[in-house]
Amino acid sequence: AQSVTQPDIHITVSEGASLELRCNYSYGATPYLFWYVQSPGQGLQLLLKYFSGDTLVQGIKGFEAEFKRSQSSFNLRKPSVHWSDAAEYFCAVGANSGYSTLTFGKGTMLLVSP
Amino acid sequence: NAGVTQTPKFQVLKTGQSMTLQCAQDMNHEYMSWYRQDPGMGLRLIHYSVGAGITDQGEVPNGYNVSRSTTEDFPLRLLSAAPSQTSVYFCASRRQALGEKLFFGSGTQLSVL
Repeated sequence: AQSVTQPDIHITVSEGASLELRCNYSYGATPYLFWYVQSPGQGLQLLLKYFSGDTLVQGIKGFEAEFKRSQSSFNLRKPSVHWSDAAEYFCAVGANSGYSTLTFGKGTMLLVSP
Repeated sequence: NAGVTQTPKFQVLKTGQSMTLQCAQDMNHEYMSWYRQDPGMGLRLIHYSVGAGITDQGEVPNGYNVSRSTTEDFPLRLLSAAPSQTSVYFCASRRQALGEKLFFGSGTQLSVL
């Protein structure tokens, strides 16, 4: 069975500083990997996804993530955080076969300080 | 396009009551799913469907029923609500091809007293 671990429950970053959110997955083969963002009271919005090819993927709002097979990781990065990036971020893994249901991590809450 | 529409947005139930959360999508997506979101638990899959007449259980299916009579609709039924079902519920859909992104509804906040 697939699983996702997001080790950080909360992270506080100063506005303008760089950001890295960690995600580790467990799956027997190369998975599909996603990062979603949830603003308060909203549904989830896709930031980016990886399923093959270049291991560095670019997403919306200036985010990027790097797939590292050797470390079973898919960390999310942004070079300069804006106050509007404050939200909860979810990493998710999907199988590369069958119905490919998505399994989500428990989320990381990003707080942005002035 | 409206995308994924969930109703109601808020609901309060008493223990033992039944209700149906509605979900409709207008994108002709084969795959539809229900998640519940609880603090510190992330999103957990309740049930999913890969087409009309086909449903399957997710990680936390107990206490919930689903059916899929049309491509557009995927209602979630609580037969006898319990306080443990207090949660925010999200419906999501996507095309069935591997790697497709999920489109989420705006959620239903349910409280069971």
